[in-house]
Amino acid sequence: TQLLEQSPQFLSIQEGENLTVYCNSSSVFSSLQWYRQEPGEGPVLLVTVVTGGEVKKLKRLTFQFGDARKDSSLHITAAQPGDTGLYLCAGNAGNMLTFGGGTRLMVKP
Amino acid sequence: GAVVSQHPSRVICKSGTSVKIECRSLDFQATTMFWYRQFPKQSLMLMATSNEGSKATYEQGVEKDKFLINHASLTLSTLTVTSAHPEDSSFYICSAHYGTPNYGYTFGSGTRLTVV
Repeated sequence: TQLLEQSPQFLSIQEGENLTVYCNSSSVFSSLQWYRQEPGEGPVLLVTVVTGGEVKKLKRLTFQFGDARKDSSLHITAAQPGDTGLYLCAGNAGNMLTFGGGTRLMVKP
Repeated sequence: GAVVSQHPSRVICKSGTSVKIECRSLDFQATTMFWYRQFPKQSLMLMATSNEGSKATYEQGVEKDKFLINHASLTLSTLTVTSAHPEDSSFYICSAHYGTPNYGYTFGSGTRLTVV
């Protein structure tokens, strides 16, 4: 069983602060994806990282895949209330996604 | 982009009855679909992998006779919760991948099941 440990589980910050969410595993993944989920809705894909060491940017969000393809991070710069939500990392191996436990982010105005 | 449509979005049923949830890929063919269950404030847990034209593969601890999966076409998979009980109340989500698995998984909007 491949496990993804995501941290922190909860994060409450003020608008304008920066934050980083981590996703770690002892397993190697062919790719790793980050999703954001709103209450009562399905997850929405933010980004997919495939190559070890890869860095992708999506506006104020920066995603990084570890060199060994076992871990990833999501960094948000100058967080805004609209960033509030559940962030999920998911590792892809063997045509199947394994989800991390999720990070519930609240950005206060 | 690839869209997965899931219905119903909410359903309330009485204990002992069965509920069917549909998952359709709207603009692509999905030979494989995935069914997840999500409890409040928790992450998604994979229940089963639905394969078109063959039996579904269930994760350990998931009762295949209780959660019936049918994937009769390349665009439709259904999950039937049989003889539902209050502990089956949860948020059920389906997904499918398009293109290569590395690049695309799209999720349905989920079904909130409440068993009373």
